[in-house]
Amino acid sequence: RKEVEQDPGPFNVPEGATVAFNCTYSNSASQSFFWYRQDCRKEPKLLMSVYSSGNEDGRFTAQLNRASQYISLLIRDSKLSDSATYLCVVNPTGTASKLTFGTGTRLQVTL
Amino acid sequence: DGGITQSPKYLFRKEGQNVTLSCEQNLNHDAMYWYRQDPGQGLRLIYYSQIVNDFQKGDIAEGYSVSREKKESFPLTVTSAQKNPTAFYLCASSPGQRYGYTFGSGTRLTIV
Repeated sequence: RKEVEQDPGPFNVPEGATVAFNCTYSNSASQSFFWYRQDCRKEPKLLMSVYSSGNEDGRFTAQLNRASQYISLLIRDSKLSDSATYLCVVNPTGTASKLTFGTGTRLQVTL
Repeated sequence: DGGITQSPKYLFRKEGQNVTLSCEQNLNHDAMYWYRQDPGQGLRLIYYSQIVNDFQKGDIAEGYSVSREKKESFPLTVTSAQKNPTAFYLCASSPGQRYGYTFGSGTRLTIV
């Protein structure tokens, strides 16, 4: 089983739609969780950290379910500019600042 | 502005040559990392360093070497022993365990 698993997509959604991505992780001792965004042929950029209580940043909401070992990202009112690959990222050990990246879920927002 | 700089952006080398990729940060981060990304694949950890003069192998260290003589700098050498070096190389830094990484803009290495 991979340490971090994501549906590769692509998710094709119309502008204005709400879309959700899930990600599962294998190590129950994982401590830190993040969502990154990666545009084509660019570096990943931190979108948001994921906290146990959940967190929201504008149109983006991240949730963590430790019991089921999954993380979710919800994007409301999708924009064309949201088209990118979204990477689920986990610190599997909690003892070193070494992150494990999922392979990403590709989102394409269309007119 | 603080950030992390990788150079060059594109690099072409002949097979059998060693090549060194530069990574410099002025964020005062202790930890630095090197990842490799192949088309359609996730990031794979090559080496990481949590403090000056110390570094550890990641998941795919064979054929690579690093040094960490200064806090700001973490160069990666791709040696001729690396069997398939053509890839997108990303350097990152982090202030600590609870924080995410800041990435450089990457170096695309092509072996011709």
